[in-house]
Amino acid sequence: GENVEQHPSTLSVQEGDSAVIKCTYSDSASNYFPWYKQELGKGPQLIIDIRSNVGEKKDQRIAVTLNKTAKHFSLHITETQPEDSAVYFCAASKGDKIIFGKGTRLHILP
Amino acid sequence: DAGVIQSPRHEVTEMGQEVTLRCKPISGHNSLFWYRQTMMRGLELLIYFNNNVPIDDSGMPEDRFSAKMPNASFSTLKIQPSEPRDSAVYFCASSTDGTGLNTGELFFGEGSRLTVL
Repeated sequence: GENVEQHPSTLSVQEGDSAVIKCTYSDSASNYFPWYKQELGKGPQLIIDIRSNVGEKKDQRIAVTLNKTAKHFSLHITETQPEDSAVYFCAASKGDKIIFGKGTRLHILP
Repeated sequence: DAGVIQSPRHEVTEMGQEVTLRCKPISGHNSLFWYRQTMMRGLELLIYFNNNVPIDDSGMPEDRFSAKMPNASFSTLKIQPSEPRDSAVYFCASSTDGTGLNTGELFFGEGSRLTVL
């Protein structure tokens, strides 16, 4: 089955700097790659997703890139703000179930 | 519009007791997923249903775990007997699509935090 690896597990960046989280997946049939943000005490929420027919997608300060050949994808957050502090999960799917990475705890330092 | 509703939010029980977690998905969603979250293993998919039918239960840890979806608006996850290693946050999520290329956004509930002593 699909296996999603996510790095780093913890990331601290200065407010205003950029943060990058990287993921790899194992199943070449996967074609949908969402990213979820989880705030303390809440369930994860979708923040951005990308499908295998595109290589990059942007939404304001966040962007995702996908390299199908290498089977890896990344989340980029620019101009980080305190409210970006949370746990971020990458995930992969080939159309049925969604398999998540183990998460990255992002700390934004003042 | 109400989101996914889970109950109880917190449960503390003793080893050997039966635990039942409940979920009401968003109205109109046809797929329902149960995930377990721990520090060590992250978010693990336990089981998912499409149109009330269990599609994949390969993530269910062992026979002590069972899940049902008797109708489109209700699902349960039962652990009997419970063990300390079952302590985790259990999330229910629903989606409008569970198959094909139209993989839909998962809407998560706020989770049920289970502690087994």
